[in-house]
Amino acid sequence: GNSVTQMEGPVTLSEEAFLTINCTYTATGYPSLFWYVQYPGEGLQLLLKATKADDKGSNKGFEATYRKETTSFHLEKGSVQVSDSAVYFCALTFSGGYNKLIFGAGTRLAVHP
Amino acid sequence: EAGVTQFPSHSVIEKGQTVTLRCDPISGHDNLYWYRRVMGKEIKFLLHFVKESKQDESGMPNNRFLAERTGGTYSTLKVQPAELEDSGVYFCASSQDQTSGRYIQYFGAGTRLSVL
Repeated sequence: GNSVTQMEGPVTLSEEAFLTINCTYTATGYPSLFWYVQYPGEGLQLLLKATKADDKGSNKGFEATYRKETTSFHLEKGSVQVSDSAVYFCALTFSGGYNKLIFGAGTRLAVHP
Repeated sequence: EAGVTQFPSHSVIEKGQTVTLRCDPISGHDNLYWYRRVMGKEIKFLLHFVKESKQDESGMPNNRFLAERTGGTYSTLKVQPAELEDSGVYFCASSQDQTSGRYIQYFGAGTRLSVL
């Protein structure tokens, strides 16, 4: 079946540190991949996406590259800020069909000054 | 443009009671989805409407859950009777249609349900 596995959190970093949150997937076919973010007290927001192999999604300084050979979509940011503290969810779906999202368990990030 | 709105933001009920959650999708979005996150685990799909029709309800846990989308606009999710394991955060999402670039799902803030 289709599934997403994320690294367990919480991840605790100091401001300006480098961030990596690992995400790997299992899928039958060629999914689109997403990172969603949930800030405290808010709903899920789409952070970035990639729809085919080798695509790089980027937004707000975050990046993730769709790696078909390793079935991965790791989230990275070169210098985190306190305002990046949130829960990050990796997800996949299949475009063109009736596309429910399949999520990972989420990774909580806490950034300290 | 208004986003996806959910009511209430938080509901506390006793086991055996009934609760109804509401979701208003983004105007013009044909697709409406319900998801649930229980106990800090992964967010799981419950069901999917296309307009007023249930396209996929494979994630509904049991017949205590009833979802409706009358007229293809807002949707309700009723839990009757509620059990302790129903506690969690219920998210609603909507998307425009299935075509390229328009299948992105936009989420509401969620309803936190606590069953005591």
